[in-house]
Amino acid sequence: QKEVEQDPGPLSVPEGAIVSLNCTYSNSAFQYFMWYRQYSRKGPELLMYTYSSGNKEDGRFTAQVDKSSKYISLFIRDSQPSDSATYLCAMSAAGTYKYIFGTGTRLKVLA
Amino acid sequence: DADVTQTPRNRITKTGKRIMLECSQTKGHDRMYWYRQDPGLGLQLIYYSFDVKDINKGEISDGYSVSRQAQAKFSLSLESAIPNQTALYFCATSDLRRGVYGYTFGSGTRLTVV
Repeated sequence: QKEVEQDPGPLSVPEGAIVSLNCTYSNSAFQYFMWYRQYSRKGPELLMYTYSSGNKEDGRFTAQVDKSSKYISLFIRDSQPSDSATYLCAMSAAGTYKYIFGTGTRLKVLA
Repeated sequence: DADVTQTPRNRITKTGKRIMLECSQTKGHDRMYWYRQDPGLGLQLIYYSFDVKDINKGEISDGYSVSRQAQAKFSLSLESAIPNQTALYFCATSDLRRGVYGYTFGSGTRLTVV
């Protein structure tokens, strides 16, 4: 079993939809959680960073962490065609500062 | 100019050849990392360096070596390339001294070993 599991997709949604992207993990020591967006032929770019549990909002993006269920989510409101990319989750235990990445979910937002 | 620059962007090499991938950064971050990305496997850590004199193996270091020539430069070498090292390679930086927990990635080097 992988430490971090992420549905590869692709996930296709119409423009304006609310998108939910998810990762599950097995290591209860994970404390730092991140979401990255990766466009084709580009490096991943950091979208959201969360420490421990709870929600964090930044514009159209909301990150949620549920440590009791070992489950994290990224919500995208009012999705746009420019949101079409691969979304990677990443997480790390305290003190290690080495992130374990999910395999990524490919999202397509249709105009 | 990009904060993290990788060269070359694309490279095709033959089995058995030695190849070096280079990474330089202008962010002043202390930590640098090399990852490879394969379809269905995600990003896997090859080597990481917390400063010029501190270099550590990652999950998949066999067949690779690194050199941290300066705080801003971190190179990855494949001593004798083999076809299963065909992948997309990323360099990344971070700096916990400044509370920069997330990574800044370069644009990647697409390496094909034939």
